[in-house]
Amino acid sequence: AQSVSQHNHHVILSEAASLELGCNYSYGGTVNLFWYVQYPGQHLQLLLKYFSGDPLVKGIKGFEAEFIKSKFSFNLRKPSVQWSDTAEYFCAVNPSGNTGKLIFGQGTTLQVKP
Amino acid sequence: EAEVAQSPRYKITEKSQAVAFWCDPISGHATLYWYRQILGQGPELLVQFQDESVVDDSQLPKDRFSAERLKGVDSTLKIQPAELGDSAMYLCASSLDMSYEQYFGPGTRLTVT
Repeated sequence: AQSVSQHNHHVILSEAASLELGCNYSYGGTVNLFWYVQYPGQHLQLLLKYFSGDPLVKGIKGFEAEFIKSKFSFNLRKPSVQWSDTAEYFCAVNPSGNTGKLIFGQGTTLQVKP
Repeated sequence: EAEVAQSPRYKITEKSQAVAFWCDPISGHATLYWYRQILGQGPELLVQFQDESVVDDSQLPKDRFSAERLKGVDSTLKIQPAELGDSAMYLCASSLDMSYEQYFGPGTRLTVT
């Protein structure tokens, strides 16, 4: 079955620390990849997406992600986190040619200490 | 900025009762999705519409859940009868078409007692 795995369930960092959240998926074909973020009390928002082209994609608020096809991975990174980055982060996969359905990972809660 | 609207935001109901959720997608969006998010997990697709037609309802528990999008605009998701295990956040999302990014509403948090 198609699945998405996020390695870290809960991450605690101090401000200015670097962030990397892991995401792996199990699907052999072409995929579209997404990272969504949910800030406390807010709805899910798109952070960045990869459809094709440059495997290093940049999103909002200084986030970036790298698609490594050989590793079936799409890890999220930020060089220096801020307290306002405290949120839940979800990796999602849409197997290309599919109906648009997103398969989500279980999410990673990021807590940034000021 | 246009947003996906959902109501109610919170709903508490007793088991065996009926409950309904409403979603109004962003204007012009042809594709509408209903997801269920259980606490501590990622959202899981329940049903997807393209205009008024169901595209995917493979994960919808059809013995108790139903969904409609009669005019291809807003949509209603119903549960009858509700069970304790239905307690979750119900999210609605819409996209311009199936291959475009999805925009999520604030969700309806359902508690079944």
